[in-house]
Amino acid sequence: AQKVTQAQTEISVVEKEDVTLDCVYETRDTTYYLFWYKQPPSGELVFLIRRNSFDEQNEISGRYSWNFQKSTSSFNFTITASQVVDSAVYFCALITLGNEKLTFGTGTRLTIIP
Amino acid sequence: GAGVSQSPSNKVTEKGKDVELRCDPISGHTALYWYRQSLGQGLEFLIYFQGNSAPDKSGLPSDRFSAERTGGSVSTLTIQRTQQEDSAVYLCASSPTRPVNTEAFFGQGTRLTVV
Repeated sequence: AQKVTQAQTEISVVEKEDVTLDCVYETRDTTYYLFWYKQPPSGELVFLIRRNSFDEQNEISGRYSWNFQKSTSSFNFTITASQVVDSAVYFCALITLGNEKLTFGTGTRLTIIP
Repeated sequence: GAGVSQSPSNKVTEKGKDVELRCDPISGHTALYWYRQSLGQGLEFLIYFQGNSAPDKSGLPSDRFSAERTGGSVSTLTIQRTQQEDSAVYLCASSPTRPVNTEAFFGQGTRLTVV
């Protein structure tokens, strides 16, 4: 069985602060992929990143960065210098080679206060 | 448009009626998913299609739920004898190949309200 846990239900930070969204996953497969999606108020999930289990190198894309640590089964997402437009629900998800359905966490609602 | 299209965007139905939700995936995408998102909840997997076949329908909550896909394209999710607990946003997603090989692209969902 596979599982994704996002322990933070809601986070509020003041604009320009940095914020980290936590994601912990469980799987017995050795080949798997991790994702982050953003769901703005419009409702459509927007893909942010896909990372495979063999690549633990951290990734940075503008103000976004991701820290993948297999030792702790975590794939955390950091937004630097947050902006109001970052306000959304963020979902972490997992898919494995042996089970081809995306398993999502329950999401973290991020509110950036102007 | 170029994205995943779902219709209707909103549907209000009376308890006990049947509803059909439609998903038009991105052209050429072979994989198609249906998910359900209840208020304040995460995304619950319902069914996965590869072409017209459904190798994984383990998430369908009851036999009132069914889905089909024709021509490797459009998919319809049918809910018979709707109940109030069926109220949710139903999201469709597609991907160009096997889901492990790429990300999934989501539509904006159909908000179903059963009264």
